[in-house]
Amino acid sequence: DAGVTQSPTHLIKTRGQHVTLRCSPISGHKSVSWYQQVLGQGPQFIFQYYEKEERGRGNFPDRFSARQFPNYSSELNVNALLLGDSALYLCASSFSATNEKLFFGSGTQLSVL
Amino acid sequence: KQEVTQIPAALSVPEGENLVLNCSFTDSAIYNLQWFRQDPGKGLTSLLLIQSSQREQTSGRLNASLDKSSGRSTLYIAASQPGDSATYLCAPPGDKLIFGTGTRLQVFP
Repeated sequence: DAGVTQSPTHLIKTRGQHVTLRCSPISGHKSVSWYQQVLGQGPQFIFQYYEKEERGRGNFPDRFSARQFPNYSSELNVNALLLGDSALYLCASSFSATNEKLFFGSGTQLSVL
Repeated sequence: KQEVTQIPAALSVPEGENLVLNCSFTDSAIYNLQWFRQDPGKGLTSLLLIQSSQREQTSGRLNASLDKSSGRSTLYIAASQPGDSATYLCAPPGDKLIFGTGTRLQVFP
């Protein structure tokens, strides 16, 4: 079975632009979470979606939004990009909403110039 | 609010040594705790998931323990190898997975 897949793997944008990152969970997993990891720090929680509903949101501005589709794949959107948005964006999936083992994708490396 | 601290922040050892990585958390109302490994620029690979009812979990040269009462988990790595070089992260699963900054391990030949 395929693991969690993320696309694209790398992305270069300029300030003010918009970006969409995509994630496909492991087959059968209904929960998808997004994390931002700045170099040298641990991942920071952005969103969790379960059964297509937002279940949790971290301390990120409204420029960040996400959604989950009927097939449980997910998109993370970031508007009006800032230099500080440069980071590795990680997606994780699990079967249920809480207390389950998480499986991470390889991430999308976003560089904002 | 859950806070996770990992000690040491960095570790550099010759291969063959047995290692202890520590993780502490402030909110002990957790069900389990997961340890991850991360290679530079890559995603996280799950190493072990310890359920509170188990208190300990082993996989090969790795052993992790969980003490909810003291808010601590420990990852033991036996007979370390250069291939173990990576950053190790712990997190209690839940609505919002809260990570520490990890322990950056370097094992040299």
